[in-house]
Amino acid sequence: EVQLLESGGGLVQPGGSLRLSCTASGFTFINYAMNWVRQAPGKGLEWVSSIRGGSGSTYYADSVKGRFTISRDNPKNTLYLQMNNLRGEDTAIYYCAKMGYNYDSESWGQGTLVTVSS
Amino acid sequence: QSALTQPASVSGSPGQSITISCTGTTSDVGGYNLVSWYQQHPGRVPKLIISEVTKRPSGVSNRFSGSKSGSTASLTISGLQAEDEADYYCCSYGGSSTFVVFGGGTKVTVL
Repeated sequence: EVQLLESGGGLVQPGGSLRLSCTASGFTFINYAMNWVRQAPGKGLEWVSSIRGGSGSTYYADSVKGRFTISRDNPKNTLYLQMNNLRGEDTAIYYCAKMGYNYDSESWGQGTLVTVSS
Repeated sequence: QSALTQPASVSGSPGQSITISCTGTTSDVGGYNLVSWYQQHPGRVPKLIISEVTKRPSGVSNRFSGSKSGSTASLTISGLQAEDEADYYCCSYGGSSTFVVFGGGTKVTVL
């Protein structure tokens, strides 16, 4: 059974930084691309970033490009999202998701809440 | 990176069929057969219900079906049930530049 467990969320001031982690189990982590998807309070889903499994190629939404960095540690089965220069509009639940070979998000974690406020 | 366009809300009576549209461009929906759909109940995690335009993952009810014409994808829910009341999101691969794009979401209400 695929399990994804996010951690690292919390309250941070505007301009601050936070690093999210997502620990994966139940599948061969290195074989799959991984996504971060966020959902602001009362709003829809927004793709944030993706990272391929083997090559480690990375992709970002324009809204976070230059501020967020996605990475992975394959031996530790862990996905990361380093978030710098945080803004109020980054307030959201951040989900990590396992990406299928057809670019869907086939399994999701429970999410971790990030609140950016002074 | 513009979001895919979905109607804000769709409603129907129990037993009826409803269809949710998802309009993109030739760079995403129209360019690839890589559209997926997600169901999200309030306070819950999104769940994949359609993959690659038409494919249902194991365990998803056959009352859910997907299709695509040009740059518009559609999700049809037949035999509408109370448990189908939820938010639905479409998503498409957008090539190496956009990569992934979601729709704005559609709230389905069962009357």
